[in-house]
Amino acid sequence: LAKTTQPISMDSYEGQEVNITCSHNNIATNDYITWYQQFPSQGPRFIIQGYKTKVTNEVASLFIPADRKSSTLSLPRVSLSDTAVYYCLVGDEGDYKLSFGAGTTVTVRA
Amino acid sequence: SAVISQKPSRDICQRGTSLTIQCQVDSQVTMMFWYRQQPGQSLTLIATANQGSEATYESGFVIDKFPISRPNLTFSTLTVSNMSPEDSSIYLCSAEGAGLLGYGYTFGSGTRLTVV
Repeated sequence: LAKTTQPISMDSYEGQEVNITCSHNNIATNDYITWYQQFPSQGPRFIIQGYKTKVTNEVASLFIPADRKSSTLSLPRVSLSDTAVYYCLVGDEGDYKLSFGAGTTVTVRA
Repeated sequence: SAVISQKPSRDICQRGTSLTIQCQVDSQVTMMFWYRQQPGQSLTLIATANQGSEATYESGFVIDKFPISRPNLTFSTLTVSNMSPEDSSIYLCSAEGAGLLGYGYTFGSGTRLTVV
């Protein structure tokens, strides 16, 4: 499993866009990038997954450059309820075991 | 994605005793997993619960301490045995999703265990 590096924490205000960049320099050809969100006192929740370029769903967008050595999770117009820890994971379909790094604690303020 | 019910949600236990945590999934899944999350820390995989065979444990975790059952494709239990204060943590179960690694994996809300 490729190692990932994320900022420990980020602060933002309501209505702003939050971008969290994850570095995965050793990503392999078959690896996908997956992001999870964890609220206090809850288990992690799948947000988005991608392989290259851009993926968008109702929650977030995931931007992956051509070299795939990093990825950026973008949360549009955050609200207080987006305060959570965000985890970036990298692995291929053979890696059924999830390996969580330290994650990024995002704090949204009014 | 599957929905997971995990219980108890929290418990306070005496050292030396054991606690069994139950995890129920609302649909059949091939793979279920148990994690530990210490306060303020990330998740650490304890083991993969295999239906019809023994669980597969990660380095640092042993069956005698964390026996796991998986009697069918929708249910699993994790027992924390002979507890000590160091076992105080949040224990979470997870079920695989329908796609590639991590896609749609579902987690229970966790069991917050305090050992006194």
